[in-house]
Amino acid sequence: AQTVTQSQPEMSVQEAETVTLSCTYDTSESNYYLFWYKQPPSRQMILVIRQEAYKQQNATENRFSVNFQKAAKSFSLKISDSQLGDTAMYFCAFPFGNEKLTFGTGTRLTIIP
Amino acid sequence: GAGVSQTPSNKVTEKGKYVELRCDPISGHTALYWYRQSLGQGPEFLIYFQGTGAADDSGLPNDRFFAVRPEGSVSTLKIQRTERGDSAVYLCASSLGPQPQETQYFGPGTRLLVL
Repeated sequence: AQTVTQSQPEMSVQEAETVTLSCTYDTSESNYYLFWYKQPPSRQMILVIRQEAYKQQNATENRFSVNFQKAAKSFSLKISDSQLGDTAMYFCAFPFGNEKLTFGTGTRLTIIP
Repeated sequence: GAGVSQTPSNKVTEKGKYVELRCDPISGHTALYWYRQSLGQGPEFLIYFQGTGAADDSGLPNDRFFAVRPEGSVSTLKIQRTERGDSAVYLCASSLGPQPQETQYFGPGTRLLVL
């Protein structure tokens, strides 16, 4: 079965601290892409970062970076210097079947002032 | 440029009624996706279009659900004989093409409540 698992339903961290959200997946594919999306209370899903599986280097976007462990099928998101605006649901997503995204159940992240 | 837009933002209907949900993708995006998000869950795939045709409708839960994209741009998701279990947020996304490396850009969703 092709699954995406997020084992942390909720997390909270003090403003300016670093937090890591975990995601594991199961696939038999060798070349693929992985995505982290953020969904604030406004409901709009916003792409945070994406990783190409054939690239050895972990993706980074400003304060956001990933720790991609292909052999372990792990794709965690690290948020540095967290800000109040980072408060949101975060979803890990995998394009099984090449087009449609399969999402994890999400992690609700709260940044505490 | 404009992002993906969806109308209405909220829809309340009674059990058994028919509803239509509209999605306006980003101009030039050939791929369009519909997802459904139940409370506390991640979005679940319903259907995707490449151009005017439904390339994959494997996520539609039953034949009460139908979607069209007649001119390869705007899409409408249609739900007949609504049931309380249809209550959810319906998300639309578009991308330049259906390739897995293409980012899907999401709209704000339509929250459907069936009483």
